[in-house]
Amino acid sequence: GESVGLHLPTLSVQEGDNSIINCAYSNSASDYFIWYKQESGKGPQFIIDIRSNMDKRQGQRVTVLLNKTVKHLSLQIAATQPGDSAVYFCAENSGGSNYKLTFGKGTLLTVNP
Amino acid sequence: DVKVTQSSRYLVKRTGEKVFLECVQDMDHENMFWYRQDPGLGLRLIYFSYDVKMKEKGDIPEGYSVSREKKERFSLILESASTNQTSMYLCASSEGRRQPQHFGDGTRLSIL
Repeated sequence: GESVGLHLPTLSVQEGDNSIINCAYSNSASDYFIWYKQESGKGPQFIIDIRSNMDKRQGQRVTVLLNKTVKHLSLQIAATQPGDSAVYFCAENSGGSNYKLTFGKGTLLTVNP
Repeated sequence: DVKVTQSSRYLVKRTGEKVFLECVQDMDHENMFWYRQDPGLGLRLIYFSYDVKMKEKGDIPEGYSVSREKKERFSLILESASTNQTSMYLCASSEGRRQPQHFGDGTRLSIL
């Protein structure tokens, strides 16, 4: 079947290396951001989120950094494993009472053993 | 863990048919969403609902309608299916505005 990875930026890393996936967001009023992981044939899986009053948040093997000055979000994955191979995309909520998320197109991460 | 269940993984229908896609969540979430996902276009919001019997149009509502009669269930309806509605359809739910949306595994719908 078709892959959500078509036409996407790609990042290829060696197993055990650290990965950094970047995302530029569009709306300076956005106050909430999420990173998702999507494996082939599955729905997006929540990884980590961050609110605009923070610039860094850590989870298990993942760190999200937020730079509001340049509207940039990054996801760092430590000690990348083959199971981390997937499409990763960011999402932003534009604030106010709006429930809508705006999603980035994604980055395809390939981990080489 | 949040569980969002979509009734079918794969579905094949004919042009002009009325198609129902069902989604159920088990976390008592207020908000539910329907997206379609197409290569190169990413996730696009069709409709969402922030309460029972409430609905709001997303970015691409044309040709679709929704129903939310119970809090846990959100249905997407293709009134008269067309080939350009062939896509992956994803349902999601969330607890609140600044809370993550949790997705089901999607329904790959083909309209012939």
